Amino acid sequence: QVQLQESGPGLVKPSETLSLSCSVSGGSISSTSYYWGWIRQPPGKGLEWIGGIYYSGDTYYNPSLKSRVTISVDTSKNQFSLKLRSVTAADTAVYYCARHRIVVVTPTYFYYYEMDVWGQGTTVTVSS
Amino acid sequence: SYVLTQPPSVSVAPGQTARITCGGNNIGSKSVHWYQQKPGQAPVLVVYEDSDRPSGIPERFSGSNSGNTATLTISRVEAGDEADYYCQVWDSSSNNIPFGGGSKLTVL
Repeated sequence: QVQLQESGPGLVKPSETLSLSCSVSGGSISSTSYYWGWIRQPPGKGLEWIGGIYYSGDTYYNPSLKSRVTISVDTSKNQFSLKLRSVTAADTAVYYCARHRIVVVTPTYFYYYEMDVWGQGTTVTVSS
Repeated sequence: SYVLTQPPSVSVAPGQTARITCGGNNIGSKSVHWYQQKPGQAPVLVVYEDSDRPSGIPERFSGSNSGNTATLTISRVEAGDEADYYCQVWDSSSNNIPFGGGSKLTVL
């Protein structure tokens, strides 16, 4: 049974870079059937998809965050990571990692389906 | 960008049927997925590809999708179903994966 676990600092200063990692256990991050994604939830608000990555390194980002986000993968460690630059208080949220089922149409084009496994989430506060 | 619209709240008495809608332009042409989120917990997938249930999800949870509205139906509602519910799709035209704003289900 696949499990995901987020880790990283719980407090980040404004204008700095938020960095989180997600460790995958019970399965391989190199599966051809899944993307590995990040989703966040500001306090009292709804879910917002940030982006995701395939084991090959192919990435897919929310257009509204794309200029500040980098997602990377380390298949040797079975984990993937999120970097969000130039953070402000608006980036304060619970950050979740999730497994995202896909269908590969071509090596660079995928159909995206449901997020079937989620981490427990980690709270990140942006404050000086 | 593609917008998904959900009612902020839905209330139902125990044993009755709850219907939570998710509106979007021609959403019937997309695959819709539904998540349940209880306070302080991560979301849990309850319906995927419009109407399929993951293993372990009760048959009381079902879904449909047609035209401009997708619906999550919870039959014989129990107190334990009280939660926030979110719909989600993939919008290839905007290269985005939007979620609905969420609906809070209250069991009276």
